Amino acid sequence: GDSVTQKEGLVTLTEGLPVMLNCTYQTIYSNAFLFWYVHYLNESPRLLLKSSTDNKRTEHQGFHATLHKSSSSFHLQKSSAQLSDSALYYCALSDTPGGNYKPTFGKGTSLVVHP
Amino acid sequence: GGIITQTPKFLIGQEGQKLTLKCQQNFNHDTMYWYRQDSGKGLRLIYYSITENDLQKGDLSEGYDASREKKSSFSLTVTSAQKNEMAVFLCASRGTGGPETLYFGSGTRLTVL
Repeated sequence: GDSVTQKEGLVTLTEGLPVMLNCTYQTIYSNAFLFWYVHYLNESPRLLLKSSTDNKRTEHQGFHATLHKSSSSFHLQKSSAQLSDSALYYCALSDTPGGNYKPTFGKGTSLVVHP
Repeated sequence: GGIITQTPKFLIGQEGQKLTLKCQQNFNHDTMYWYRQDSGKGLRLIYYSITENDLQKGDLSEGYDASREKKSSFSLTVTSAQKNEMAVFLCASRGTGGPETLYFGSGTRLTVL
């Protein structure tokens, strides 16, 4: 079955440094969608980015990610971390339409940005 | 835009008690989900429902029941609360048309004494 791996459970950064949260996945489907969701404390998790296009950079709110099907990766990046980026980040995979109603989530990476 | 409302926000129960969590959405989405969120374990799927009156078990369904009597609502029952259990339960919905975005509620935090 599908799987998503987020190898870092916790990433701690100093404000201003670059952010990179890792996400790799496994699926047999060539048209899978990859998502990044962000969960701020006391809020609802919400979509940050999504993509199904190989080698195309997707950007939103200062974050970006590029889906690389050759390496099955969808890493989340930001050039300069802000204190307000502290949150829990989930990578998720959803394969082809019509068959799968169960998106697969990684275990999440907690990002802590300190002054 | 729509919203997903989960009630209650906080739920305190006793060991062995049956507890019900409720979720309402006004997106008119077909598919709804219940996830359990535990630190270090990510989001684990308990139940999902593709349409009204449909129920599908997720990976963590043991110890839970669910009900989808209306398209807009999806409830989850903890059949017998476990002592010292603490978790956040998240409801989500998704539209039709393939691997669409999930929209989440703000969660119900369960504490069992």
